[in-house]
Amino acid sequence: GQQVMQIPQYQHVQEGEDFTTYCNSSTTLSNIQWYKQRPGGHPVFLIQLVKSGEVKKQKRLTFQFGEAKKNSSLHITATQTTDVGTYFCAGLNDYKLSFGAGTTVTVRA
Amino acid sequence: NAGVMQNPRHLVRRRGQEARLRCSPMKGHSHVYWYRQLPEEGLKFMVYLQKENIIDESGMPKERFSAEFPKEGPSILRIQQVVRGDSAAYFCASSRDRAQNEKLFFGSGTQLSVL
Repeated sequence: GQQVMQIPQYQHVQEGEDFTTYCNSSTTLSNIQWYKQRPGGHPVFLIQLVKSGEVKKQKRLTFQFGEAKKNSSLHITATQTTDVGTYFCAGLNDYKLSFGAGTTVTVRA
Repeated sequence: NAGVMQNPRHLVRRRGQEARLRCSPMKGHSHVYWYRQLPEEGLKFMVYLQKENIIDESGMPKERFSAEFPKEGPSILRIQQVVRGDSAAYFCASSRDRAQNEKLFFGSGTQLSVL
């Protein structure tokens, strides 16, 4: 079955620094979605990428979808304490979303 | 506009008891998904339902677990004869249409603790 892998599992970032989290699928995806889950909270949709090579930005967050539609990345610039949480990518194949294990981000002030 | 409503928020059961988790999707949504999350792990797909139909239950254990989404009322995830390994957060999500190009809206989850 489809597997979605995310690295790194943990990301400890100094406030103000940049970081990137990566997502790889074992199969070609229809689209990829990113969610954020704050500690003790539930996943909240961030963005969806559909087209090969697509790049989307949300303020300090940049999302990319690979040319082969099997990988994706999330880059955050100038990390803030509000960025704390776990970021999940989820690959869509037909109707089923398969989530990666997530990258848990902590921020040092 | 109420979001996806899950209850109870926390559920404590002793081994061998039954757990019933409820999920009311967002208004206008007829597609419901159940996911399970263990500490520091991702969300594992369990089951996908439309009104009165189970579309895909490939992620759900064959024994003790069942799910339904009746014509009227919330979707129910039922776990019979719970064991300690069932302790986890169970999230329900809904969408207006099939997840193809549709984002999922998640409920706040039910934290199940089995003593």
